[in-house]
Amino acid sequence: DAGVIQSPRHEVTEMGQEVTLRCKPISGHDYLFWYRQTMMRGLELLIYFNNNVPIDDSGMPEDRFSAKMPNASFSTLKIQPSEPRDSAVYFCASRGRGGAYNEQFFGPGTRLTVL
Amino acid sequence: SQQGEEDPQALSIQEGENATMNCSYKTSINNLQWYRQNSGRGLVHLILIRSNEREKHSGRLRVTLDTSKKSSSLLITASRAADTASYFCATANQAGTALIFGKGTTLSVSS
Repeated sequence: DAGVIQSPRHEVTEMGQEVTLRCKPISGHDYLFWYRQTMMRGLELLIYFNNNVPIDDSGMPEDRFSAKMPNASFSTLKIQPSEPRDSAVYFCASRGRGGAYNEQFFGPGTRLTVL
Repeated sequence: SQQGEEDPQALSIQEGENATMNCSYKTSINNLQWYRQNSGRGLVHLILIRSNEREKHSGRLRVTLDTSKKSSSLLITASRAADTASYFCATANQAGTALIFGKGTTLSVSS
């Protein structure tokens, strides 16, 4: 398996533009997580899905952020409109069955820069 | 909010020395996990210790867990330059379905 795949790896955009980040989890995994990492706040859990259904989105910072998982092999995180403070590395991770006893597998991340 | 807090924030050692990182957490846990992040990469799972375990080994890694003190430590023995990375502890959320990560310890191993 290729592991968790994220695209793009780098994104530079201007304030006010829409940004869409993409993630393909490991085949067979039923949990998918979106994280944001910054120097100031560390690694924050934004939202996670189980069997394509959003379970907890309490970490999503604002209504400008939205996430979808239309099927088991694809998820998107959208920011509209983007702001400079959204600049961060965004990670997607997936996990198989077994609850929190199972390890999470992380993608390489998308480095977002909002000018 | 973050469950785990690593200590120290940064650690610099020479190759061959041992590195010890600590993690404290606030609420009861089912398990605690340690992850490594190389610069510019995603996190990689290192080891998991369950709440009923006190010590666990994996290669050059040794993890201890003290549930009475709500703390864990990660020991890397005979460190190598390739061990240079950030190390994070993680515990499950209340529902036991997601992980909450600390801010990490940045380890630098010089040759």
